[in-house]
Amino acid sequence: ILNVEQSPQSLHVQEGDSTNFTCSFPSSNFYALHWYRWETAKSPEALFVMTLNGDEKKKGRISATLNTKEGYSYLYIKGSQPEDSATYLCAFEDSDTGNQFYFGTGTSLTVIP
Amino acid sequence: DSGVTQTPKHLITATGQRVTLRCSPRSGDLSVYWYQQSLDQGLQFLIQYYNGEERAKGNILERFSAQQFPDLHSELNLSSLELGDSALYFCASSVEGQGDEQYFGPGTRLTVT
Repeated sequence: ILNVEQSPQSLHVQEGDSTNFTCSFPSSNFYALHWYRWETAKSPEALFVMTLNGDEKKKGRISATLNTKEGYSYLYIKGSQPEDSATYLCAFEDSDTGNQFYFGTGTSLTVIP
Repeated sequence: DSGVTQTPKHLITATGQRVTLRCSPRSGDLSVYWYQQSLDQGLQFLIQYYNGEERAKGNILERFSAQQFPDLHSELNLSSLELGDSALYFCASSVEGQGDEQYFGPGTRLTVT
């Protein structure tokens, strides 16, 4: 079983603050890194799928970077809003075990108005 | 609404019983994934099907089985149920599979008493 770690476990920020969190994954057998946004009582919603080292992706105020050589990805939220409050989950797609998915435990973000 | 449907929404059954969870992917998606979210664990990947064939297998118990039918809907069969099988079961779909964005259904809440 591969280890995917996310930090911090939880985060409280003020509205308007920018924030970032980390997903660490094995640097071997990489196929893709997925980021999801998961609101309470809803289903995970795909944010990004990142496949190439050095990838940077952006969707509105949210962006992500990828370093496959050292095994980490950062998710950034610029100017946090209360509606950004959710758990942000990353998943490592492994090329060695037939493209299995290994999820981190998530970073819970609360944006205080 | 992701376009992925799952039935039933809730299921309550007794230990030792067998249940079937159903998933219809988004129109045009060929891949279906099954995930389990237990209280004490994060999201666990169970199995993936692509166009009717098993593509990747995760931590799926031998008591569990799945299949994808010619119309691309999928069923997850859980048998000899134990209390520890109580969880939220999600289905997701994507266009092809590897490295694709996944769209999650609303989930089926299974309670084993």
